[in-house]
Amino acid sequence: AQSVTQPDIHITVSEGASLELRCNYSYGATPYLFWYVQSPGQGLQLLLKYFSGDTLVQGIKGFEAEFKRSQSSFNLRKPSVHWSDAAEYFCAATGTSYDKVIFGPGTSLSVIP
Amino acid sequence: SAVISQKPSRDICQRGTSLTIQCQVDSQVTMMFWYRQQPGQSLTLIATANQGSEATYESGFVIDKFPISRPNLTFSTLTVSNMSPEDSSIYLCSVEEWTGDGDTEAFFGQGTRLTVV
Repeated sequence: AQSVTQPDIHITVSEGASLELRCNYSYGATPYLFWYVQSPGQGLQLLLKYFSGDTLVQGIKGFEAEFKRSQSSFNLRKPSVHWSDAAEYFCAATGTSYDKVIFGPGTSLSVIP
Repeated sequence: SAVISQKPSRDICQRGTSLTIQCQVDSQVTMMFWYRQQPGQSLTLIATANQGSEATYESGFVIDKFPISRPNLTFSTLTVSNMSPEDSSIYLCSVEEWTGDGDTEAFFGQGTRLTVV
């Protein structure tokens, strides 16, 4: 069955520290992959996406993600976290265009001064 | 990019009643999706709504509980019927559009925060 997993339920980092959020997927073929952020009381915002090509994807707000086929992973990274990055982060996948999006369980990020 | 408006943004409802959530998109889209996000949980797809055909429901969701209408290419409604406190969730409408560079992107409404008392 198709699935997206995020092993870390909650992560706490210090402001200015680096960040890596893990994501693994299980699909029949390489899916389209996404990272979304949801701030308290806000809607979902797309950070970045991977469809094909370069496996290192740059997104908004200084985020990047690396697709690794051998590990079925699509981890999100940021070199220096800001307090405003505290939010819920969802990894998601879809099999094809116009297909339903399957979301991971989410990782809650806290940032301490 | 698609702009999605959902109404109401939030509501508090009595158990046993029904609530209809509206989703309006500023462009014509083939497929619309309805998701549920229970408190502290991730998003779960309820159903896919195509214009001119019945919605396709995911496992665990049924039409009697979550009837969906899709009268045209820019509008859809989701009704949460005979509500119970377990239906308290955020309900989100979503569409997918071509981005112009060979792929699609999913856009989400702000969601409807439903509390059933």
